[in-house]
Amino acid sequence: ELKVEQNPLFLSMQEGKNYTIYCNYSTTSDRLYWYRQDPGKSLESLFVLLSNGAVKQEGRLMASLDTKARLSTLHITAAVHDLSATYFCAVDSTDTGNQFYFGTGTSLTVIP
Amino acid sequence: NAGVMQNPRHLVRRRGQEARLRCSPMKGHSHVYWYRQLPEEGLKFMVYLQKENIIDESGMPKERFSAEFPKEGPSILRIQQVVRGDSAAYFCASSLNYGYTFGSGTRLTVV
Repeated sequence: ELKVEQNPLFLSMQEGKNYTIYCNYSTTSDRLYWYRQDPGKSLESLFVLLSNGAVKQEGRLMASLDTKARLSTLHITAAVHDLSATYFCAVDSTDTGNQFYFGTGTSLTVIP
Repeated sequence: NAGVMQNPRHLVRRRGQEARLRCSPMKGHSHVYWYRQLPEEGLKFMVYLQKENIIDESGMPKERFSAEFPKEGPSILRIQQVVRGDSAAYFCASSLNYGYTFGSGTRLTVV
């Protein structure tokens, strides 16, 4: 069964600091997604990474994909309180019938 | 474009009752997926449907759960004889080619 592992599961960081969330997956997949979820809310799409070496940036968040290592990273630069949320990575492929497999999520708390 | 519409947002059912969750995909999207999220956990795949067809139901419990996506109208996830363990957030997503757009979810509470 395809597995998607994220670490850390919980992350508490001070405003202004940098940190990276890691996402490892166990199948060959060329598509990797990052989502944000606020408590009691739905999932908001952050990034779609479609090829090896893809890098995308939006504000203080930057995501990258290494399909050979089956690894994606979500880097947070100079964190601010508004980034507090749970972040999920997910993979899909034609092998999985287009269903997504989600990581367990990383709960991020940014402390003022 | 109204996005993926789910209703109700919150649903409370007593044990043994039936729960019906509705999902209207984004306009033009023909693929619908249902996911369940237990508290403090990630999303788990339940079922993938296209119009009038169940494509993959490998994540659906064998009993009490069913899903449909009729030619006309929304997709329905039906849970019969609910138990407390069914309490969760149920998300619907729709897709055209790749990538999902999620609905706002239905939070089911079984009392």
